Amino acid sequence: NAGVTQTPKFQVLKTGQSMTLQCAQDMNHNSMYWYRQDPGMGLRLIYYSASEGTTDKGEVPNGYNVSRLNKREFSLRLESAAPSQTSVYFCASSTSRGETQYFGPGTRLLVL
Amino acid sequence: GENVEQHPSTLSVQEGDSAVIKCTYSDSASNYFPWYKQELGKRPQLIIDIRSNVGEKKDQRIAVTLNKTAKHFSLHITETQPEDSAVYFCAASRGGLTGGGNKLTFGTGTQLKVEL
Repeated sequence: NAGVTQTPKFQVLKTGQSMTLQCAQDMNHNSMYWYRQDPGMGLRLIYYSASEGTTDKGEVPNGYNVSRLNKREFSLRLESAAPSQTSVYFCASSTSRGETQYFGPGTRLLVL
Repeated sequence: GENVEQHPSTLSVQEGDSAVIKCTYSDSASNYFPWYKQELGKRPQLIIDIRSNVGEKKDQRIAVTLNKTAKHFSLHITETQPEDSAVYFCAASRGGLTGGGNKLTFGTGTQLKVEL
């Protein structure tokens, strides 16, 4: 099992550009999450999907959109990137009960 | 919403000593409290968790205690080793029981350094 995978590993964008971060899991988990990690601020929830076909906002959703493509895949889209979105983005998944969240390796995003 | 505060932000101990990291939470309805370890450049990984119906849980050198009345919980690492050096995050949530996933609120992290 690969667990949770993310692409790309690293990306540089110019202000105003758009991009989609991809996440996939092969653990048959119902719930998936997107977090951002900034120095000194821990992990903050952007969006989550409790089950296939549902998505909901987390703590910091502004500037982002998500798509739960199917049970395995959950993507995060930046429509018009801003320097404030420079961060490390982690995808995670869990069972519906959600007790243990398994994280992907992360995507490091730099917005110039 | 939930607010989780974590202290200290950095902690340096000698190998073999104990380390304690403390967290407080604001939402009295929170019932699930995990701890994650993140090594440099790696993903966070769950090391131990506790539910609100339990006051203490141990797993080898790691233990977590919970005081619901005071709304705080702590991570205890005994006989620290160099490989324990990492950033540790506490978190809290209400979920995990209703089938709707689990929205975690994380603390800001503690950089633990175990010196030889």
